Amino acid sequence: GESVGLHLPTLSVQEGDNSIINCAYSNSASDYFIWYKQESGKGPQFIIDIRSNMDKRQGQRVTVLLNKTVKHLSLQIAATQPGDSAVYFCAEDSGGSNYKLTFGKGTLLTVNP
Amino acid sequence: GAGVSQSPSNKVTEKGKDVELRCDPISGHTALYWYRQSLGQGLEFLIYFQGNSAPDKSGLPSDRFSAERTGGSVSTLTIQRTQQEDSAVYLCASSLSGVSNQPQHFGDGTRLSIL
Repeated sequence: GESVGLHLPTLSVQEGDNSIINCAYSNSASDYFIWYKQESGKGPQFIIDIRSNMDKRQGQRVTVLLNKTVKHLSLQIAATQPGDSAVYFCAEDSGGSNYKLTFGKGTLLTVNP
Repeated sequence: GAGVSQSPSNKVTEKGKDVELRCDPISGHTALYWYRQSLGQGLEFLIYFQGNSAPDKSGLPSDRFSAERTGGSVSTLTIQRTQQEDSAVYLCASSLSGVSNQPQHFGDGTRLSIL
């Protein structure tokens, strides 16, 4: 079956650096993508989303890039802070009639002070 | 404004017992989802409710799992005759409506441990 995957399971950065978390997807029919942040003991927290008719979307300190040609999604975090340390999941709308999300396994981001 | 609320936050029970997990979605959200997250894994879809429509149960792993949603609001996920492999975090999410391009908002989950 088709699934969402992540290139890097862990990422360690210094405080103040920019972080880039990558995600590959294989379902060419997916038209909506979301990034979530999950801290220990908490549920996933919505960060930013993007539709397939866009290739870039910016939020506060975060930017999501979508490359449909190579089926690649990335999350960029500017000026990474210790509070950004968490597991980051990308998710795709896998289509069908229920709009369930298919999640990757996540990337653990550690920010060193 | 309250987010998605789940209870209990933790549940420890013996193998073979039945458990009920509760989810109270964000007010006004008509779509409700249950997911399961095993240690170090991504989220696995279980079931989806949208308004008064028949739920999509395609993700339920066995007939020991069932869920209902009363009055279009609160949902209960029931696991009968629990087994050790049922140990996981059960997450509930809701969205404004069951259409694409609507982000799902999650509760903090119920951490279920089967002894």
